[in-house]
Order: sequence, then C-alpha cells, then structure tokens
Amino acid sequence: NAGVMQNPRHLVRRRGQEARLRCSPMKGHSHVYWYRQLPEEGLKFMVYLQKENIIDESGMPKERFSAEFPKEGPSILRIQQVVRGDSAAYFCASSPTSTVSNQPQHFGDGTRLSIL
Amino acid sequence: AQKITQTQPGMFVQEKEAVTLDCTYDTSDQSYGLFWYKQPSSGEMIFLIYQGSYDEQNATEGRYSLNFQKARKSANLVISASQLGDSAMYFCAMRELFGNEKLTFGTGTRLTIIP
Repeated sequence: NAGVMQNPRHLVRRRGQEARLRCSPMKGHSHVYWYRQLPEEGLKFMVYLQKENIIDESGMPKERFSAEFPKEGPSILRIQQVVRGDSAAYFCASSPTSTVSNQPQHFGDGTRLSIL
Repeated sequence: AQKITQTQPGMFVQEKEAVTLDCTYDTSDQSYGLFWYKQPSSGEMIFLIYQGSYDEQNATEGRYSLNFQKARKSANLVISASQLGDSAMYFCAMRELFGNEKLTFGTGTRLTIIP
C-alpha cells in the first residue's frame, strides 16, 4: 500500500522539547499539506509545500513552527519548545502534480502529539 | 475566505435507514470543489465523495450521494442503507478549483448507527 505515510503515529514530548513529525507523500505526489486537529474539532490548514518550496504558510503559527519538503526525503513539520496547547493530531495530505480539480487530497493516519 | 458549517454535532440513526448529513458553505469563488471525509474512531481520514461547482449532476459513490444545491450553497451527504461500520465523524470540506488547493473543513458530525 503506497499511501501517505506519517511517523511516528504517537509522539510524547515534555514542555520545552522539540517535536519532529514526518510525512512521505503518495508515490507521484509532489504537493504536501499539513493540517492540525484539536480534540473534537475539524482539521485546520497549516502549510502547503511543494518540493523545496513553501507555497502557503498562512495557517502556521508565527513562532516555534516550521515545515520543509526537501528534494529528497519526507516532509518534516517541526515544533520547537513545545507547550501543552500543541497537543493535537497532525495530519499530512498529498495530491498529484497536476492540479486536476477533482483530485482529492489523500491523508496519512496522522501523528498524535501529546505534551506532558 | 471560505467557510463550512455543519450544524449537526451528533446524529443517531437506526441500522439500514438512510441518513442525511448537512453541510452549508460560504465562498466568493465561482469555481470550487466540495469533499466529504469520514474519520472512524481509529483516526484516519477517508475520502468519500467529491462535487465540483460546475458539475450538473449530483455525485454518487456506492451508498454515498451528495445532494448539491448551489443556489442554497448546500452540499449534504446522503448515506443509504446505513451500516454499523458507518459510525464515525464526517467532515465536509471545500477548496478553490484553481489556485491554492488547501482544504477548509467544517467542525464535523458524529454519526452513530444503532443496531
């Protein structure tokens, strides 16, 4: 199954530590999106990347959060100096190179981040 | 800016009955796409069905159909012959058809199928 792969599935960090979340898109997909889901809420857009480029980061907090999608390797969402409010499920999605309108974004299983 | 409203936080439906999950949207875009996703208790997001703003016919995928009323800006999901495995959270989402592809989600409806 060559779906969107996220790891780790669960991540526990103490306040002040760094969290790194990884996402490998589906084969042939070069568009990656990160979303955050707080408990009992819908998904909120964070950032949209293509290879080596950030296209839209309008949903990213200005501090402590960063994302990259290098030429080789997975996309990384990095949260520095985590706080309790960062506890959430973080989903990665990917879509094909072509922007055919009816192409859905395919989601990974998410990373559940818990801050102690 | 785009906005999705799902007014039903939770619904209980008898097994084998049909169920309609409501979704209304607001956008200034003329071209957009509407999506429904299912999130079971295991947490993954599963794509169900898509409707484009220019599609003249309502979308159908197996037991799922989308009741698209463009003038009312509604895109309700209809599940026919519900099954126990349909119990999950259901999210309506939309995005522009051209340009930025980020999805805007509603707050979801928790559907519980009663045996």
